[in-house]
Amino acid sequence: NAGVTQTPKFQVLKTGQSMTLQCAQDMNHEYMSWYRQDPGMGLRLIHYSVGAGITDQGEVPNGYNVSRSTTEDFPLRLLSAAPSQTSVYFCASSQTNSYGYTFGSGTRLTVV
Amino acid sequence: AQRVTQPEKLLSVFKGAPVELKCNYSYSGSPELFWYVQYSRQRLQLLLRHISRESIKGFTADLNKGETSFHLKKPFAQEEDSAMYYCALRGYQKVTFGTGTKLQVIP
Repeated sequence: NAGVTQTPKFQVLKTGQSMTLQCAQDMNHEYMSWYRQDPGMGLRLIHYSVGAGITDQGEVPNGYNVSRSTTEDFPLRLLSAAPSQTSVYFCASSQTNSYGYTFGSGTRLTVV
Repeated sequence: AQRVTQPEKLLSVFKGAPVELKCNYSYSGSPELFWYVQYSRQRLQLLLRHISRESIKGFTADLNKGETSFHLKKPFAQEEDSAMYYCALRGYQKVTFGTGTKLQVIP
């Protein structure tokens, strides 16, 4: 049982490049979310999903796209990377509304 | 709108002293509150949730709807408690986190 797996762990991008951060969970969780963690700002919600085929925006969705074609996977796409997107990205999943999240180990992204 | 406020960025206490990490929330409905902990270089972990009224690693938290607070408490701090602590609120579908409090336990 791997839990929530994020890849890659580290990534350096040039401004304007695009990439996809992968997130997969093997716990059959319905809820999945993407957060970014910045110093002094805590975790801010980018996008979330309450089930396969259903996604919605969080607090800071601009510059990011998501899709949820399966229960297991919830990739986050950066369309055109900007230095302001330098951050640590966490994917999280939960079974239902009342359960806490299980987090991935994070992806540290640097945009130069 | 839902909001979580953690007023302290850093809380330093001596080993053996009591700990209280403050969390206040704003939400029009019936919230579900959680505390998460992030030890150095590790992923966030669920510490406790108000609905289960449990005590984990000696920590407890009581939901006070009148004061809209969910403070995290521990009677005697230990060095291994040093970490970042995040309060979180689950509203209708979204989970909102506070900005976190770094707890530093001084030996």
